[in-house]
Amino acid sequence: AQKVTQTQTSISVMEKTTVTMDCVYETQDSSYFLFWYKQTASGEIVFLIRQDSYKKENATVGHYSLNFQKPKSSIGLIITATQIEDSAVYFCAMREGGGGYKVVFGSGTRLLVSP
Amino acid sequence: GPKVLQIPSHQIIDMGQMVTLNCDPVSNHLYFYWYKQILGQQMEFLVNFYNGKVMEKSKLFKDQFSVERPDGSYFTLKIQPTALEDSAVYFCASSLVDRGYEQYFGPGTRLTVL
Repeated sequence: AQKVTQTQTSISVMEKTTVTMDCVYETQDSSYFLFWYKQTASGEIVFLIRQDSYKKENATVGHYSLNFQKPKSSIGLIITATQIEDSAVYFCAMREGGGGYKVVFGSGTRLLVSP
Repeated sequence: GPKVLQIPSHQIIDMGQMVTLNCDPVSNHLYFYWYKQILGQQMEFLVNFYNGKVMEKSKLFKDQFSVERPDGSYFTLKIQPTALEDSAVYFCASSLVDRGYEQYFGPGTRLTVL
């Protein structure tokens, strides 16, 4: 069964610094997809970035990038030059590439960015 | 980015009543999902729907739950009858293609069962 684990419950950083959020996953599939979402204070869930398991290059979108370490089943999210508005809860999620349709989410990491 | 709409934003009902949560997915998306989130905890998958059929559902998708999307209108989640433990925020999501493509989420419907 697939599982996604985020061990950091909350992180506090100063504005304009770089932060890394950890995520490890479990799956029996050789092909899978990994996602990071952000949930704002208003509850809105925003898709941030995605990594396909067969791709070796780490995905990058804007000031978000991923540290994909497939042998360790790890997909860290890196946010560079953090801004106040990056304060939110960040969820890691995974979908298997086989017959399953569901996406499994981690428990989330709350990020607080201070001025 | 693409927008998913959900109606209503908040619903309060008495235990045992029926409730229907409505979702207006992104217009060209083909796959639809419902998730349940309790008190800011992790999101839990309920059901995936495509081409008029439930493709997969979780253990949380009890017999009292049903989904449909009649004639391309709203994608709905109906709970009949409701129970206290159904109180949560329900998020609808849609995606263009199923497996590898990211899902876009609506703002959620907060359901309170009294």
